[in-house]
This record gives sequence, C-alpha cells and structure tokens, in this order.
Amino acid sequence: GAVVSQHPSRVICKSGTSVKIECRSLDFQATTMFWYRQFPKKSLMLMATSNEGSKATYEQGVEKDKFLINHASLTLSTLTVTSAHPEDSSFYICSAAPSSNQPQHFGDGTRLSIL
Amino acid sequence: QKEVEQNSGPLSVPEGAIASLNCTYSDRGSQSFFWYRQYSGKSPELIMSIYSNGDKEDGRFTAQLNKASQYVSLLIRDSQPSDSATYLCAVNPSGGSYIPTFGRGTSLIVHP
Repeated sequence: GAVVSQHPSRVICKSGTSVKIECRSLDFQATTMFWYRQFPKKSLMLMATSNEGSKATYEQGVEKDKFLINHASLTLSTLTVTSAHPEDSSFYICSAAPSSNQPQHFGDGTRLSIL
Repeated sequence: QKEVEQNSGPLSVPEGAIASLNCTYSDRGSQSFFWYRQYSGKSPELIMSIYSNGDKEDGRFTAQLNKASQYVSLLIRDSQPSDSATYLCAVNPSGGSYIPTFGRGTSLIVHP
C-alpha cells in the first residue's frame, strides 16, 4: 500500500528557531501533498496544498511567509515553520495520494513544541 | 463550499455491540469516499474506501454508500475498547481535484 513518511516525529526548540519538517511518499509519486495542523481535541485543519514544481496554495488565514513549503521533487515536500513561537506549537501532519480518486495516506505527524 | 458533516459525538457503545457512524456530504458529483480512524495523539489511518453504492465489508467494518441520499456510513461489528477513537469521513470532490474534504470526526467510545 501507499506509504507516506514524515520526519521528525517530535521537535522541541526555543522561540525564534526555524523548524523544517519533511514529508516523503515512499512507494509512489505525488504531484500534490497536503499539510495539516491539529490542536488537541480539535479537527484537522488544512494549511496548504503543496504542488510539485510550483508554488503552494495556502488556505485563508495561513501565513505563507511563516509556513514555507517546498515541493522540489515528486516524492518530497517540506514545511518550514520560520521563527517559531509558542503559538505555533501543534501537531503537523502531511498527506499524499497516488492519484486524485485514491485516499490520502498520512504521515505519522510531527509534534512541535516551542518553548 | 463543499461540506462533509458528521455528528461529533461522543458515541458510546458497549463492548460487543455494533457502532454506527454516519456522514453526509454536499457535493453530489463526489465519487470517492473514505473512512479514517484517528487515535488520540496520532495521525489518521485509512480503514475503508468505497466508490459505488451499496455495502463494502472488510472484517468487522462495513462501509455503506448511498449517493442518491449523499450519505455514507461505517458500521463496526463486535466493537472493542480498542476501537475507541475519532472516525473521520473524507470525500474526494468531483472534477478530479486532489483536495479531499474531511468531516470534523465522530468520537467513539467503546466501554467494557
């Protein structure tokens, strides 16, 4: 089955640090990947759609300069949280699918804690 | 705005009972429907996909789709405490878009 790998699984760092999260599709190519954020006991919130070879599409209210997305290859998308602050602490999850009519497969998520 | 609606719950059922989770969607042209299970603190895990009207069974899980009523459900037979989780309904919209629409999820509690 389709496998999506996300790394790192947990990050704890000081305020002002930039943090990069990687999302890889291991056994399929993904022209599109999605980045979500989830606060405790809350729903998944789509942050942005990552498009291979072009700019990401951000959802309303998500700062593109704060959350930098790069999708330079068909198997890798990265999310960089720039100058992170405590309010950026959350669970970040990526997903991808082999084609548009197939289900999304999620990475294991990254728990980001900013001190 | 394409929407997927789920009752947030919690739905509480005794161990061994059938848990019934429901989902409605607004995009009549949708063709692909999925159920995910999400344990607390973990990412969602795909448990069922369904593409055509009727029932699809996989072990203790049965997905039911009624496109005319824009309704998809998930039945869990012989519910176990380990089934306690949030269940997310997801719909891929019509038009070949990659962007799935997720419901807010239903919390299921299976008590011994």
